[in-house]
Amino acid sequence: QVQLVQSGAEVKKPGASVKLSCKASGYTFTNYFMHWVRQAPGQGLEWMGIINPFGGSTSYAQKFQGRVTMTRDTSTSTVHMELSSLTSEDTALYYCARDLKQVTDTSDYCFDYWGQGTLVTVSS
Amino acid sequence: QSVLTQPPSASGTPGQRVTISCSGSSSNIGSDTVHWYQHLPGTAPKLLIYRNNQRPSGVPDRFSGSKSGTSASLAISGLQSEDEADYYCAAWDDNLKGVFGSGTKVTVL
Repeated sequence: QVQLVQSGAEVKKPGASVKLSCKASGYTFTNYFMHWVRQAPGQGLEWMGIINPFGGSTSYAQKFQGRVTMTRDTSTSTVHMELSSLTSEDTALYYCARDLKQVTDTSDYCFDYWGQGTLVTVSS
Repeated sequence: QSVLTQPPSASGTPGQRVTISCSGSSSNIGSDTVHWYQHLPGTAPKLLIYRNNQRPSGVPDRFSGSKSGTSASLAISGLQSEDEADYYCAAWDDNLKGVFGSGTKVTVL
């Protein structure tokens, strides 16, 4: 069965960076796009970006351009998301989510499997 | 401020039908498909409806989706206590790429 297992909670100081991981299993890792979505406390869901695990190409939400980097390691079926220059507004639960579509098609930004979430707390 | 607008709350008694709206524009709902997610506190969101009106396997047919122009709707018929959750619409936006609605909290009275 498809599983996305995310790394553990992080506590960071303002200005620092955080790198989260999401390990996929139960399917061919390079066949499906992967996304990152976050939810700040009391807020709604927010899309951050997408990575194509096959070739590594990425596309980010304008809000995070220049601050976010998504990478993948095909040897471990893991995607990573690094967010830099953290502020208190980055305190949130971060999810990785698999795309419904395979990379041979165009993503329609629909997410069928989700990781359990990683809590990132930014505090001085 | 979410690009897709949803009512903050909706409620109903067990067995009733509840409808949640999602209002967008020509750059998102008007030009692409809409998806819906159910989010229970402490759990990962769950895909409920994709491509406007398609249900993934395992999702009860009590849940249905529709789209017209730049708006979409999620209907829950035969409301049950376990349906109490937050519901989000989502779509592709020509300018912003992936966008979510503001979310609607459904309460079962």
